[in-house]
Amino acid sequence: NAGVTQTPKFRILKIGQSMTLQCTQDMNHNYMYWYRQDPGMGLKLIYYSVGAGITDKGEVPNGYNVSRSTTEDFPLRLELAAPSQTSVYFCASTESGTLATNEKLFFGSGTQLSVL
Amino acid sequence: AQTVTQSQPEMSVQEAETVTLSCTYDTSENNYYLFWYKQPPSRQMILVIRQEAYKQQNATENRFSVNFQKAAKSFSLKISDSQLGDTAMYFCAFMKHRGYNKLIFGAGTRLAVHP
Repeated sequence: NAGVTQTPKFRILKIGQSMTLQCTQDMNHNYMYWYRQDPGMGLKLIYYSVGAGITDKGEVPNGYNVSRSTTEDFPLRLELAAPSQTSVYFCASTESGTLATNEKLFFGSGTQLSVL
Repeated sequence: AQTVTQSQPEMSVQEAETVTLSCTYDTSENNYYLFWYKQPPSRQMILVIRQEAYKQQNATENRFSVNFQKAAKSFSLKISDSQLGDTAMYFCAFMKHRGYNKLIFGAGTRLAVHP
């Protein structure tokens, strides 16, 4: 059982370049999330999805795009990379929208992105 | 908007001793959930403990317990019998009831356990 898989684990981008961070889960979870963690800070929600074809903005969506064409995959797109997007990016998933009822939020291992 | 504040950037404790990490939050919601997550150097995010706001009883999980003070909007984590493996960043997080699992995190407390 792989859980939540993120690729790549590390990436260095030049200013203005584009890239897609991949996230896939094999647990048939409906809810998926993208968070970013800036150095020395907590995680902030970028985008989330409640099911295939449905996405919505989180706290810090500017500079990012997402899509959810399948239940398994939730890629995050950076179109014009900026130094402010240097961060660690975490993808997460859960079965339903009721995390509080003993349901777990599964996190990937993160992608460390540097924009120089 | 909800905010979560962790006022202790760093803490240290001797092995086998007890340490308490502080967390305060601001919300106008009445129903919500609070969490403590642990992030070791491996970057994994590990759920330590959760608390439902409608429950007066403080949650406990083995060596981990919380002191939940709803009126004061305070949610501290107590780690008893600290172990070297407890060395990590600890994040306090808030979620509204029916909040689609959208967590709001504090900035974290770096805990070092010394032998």
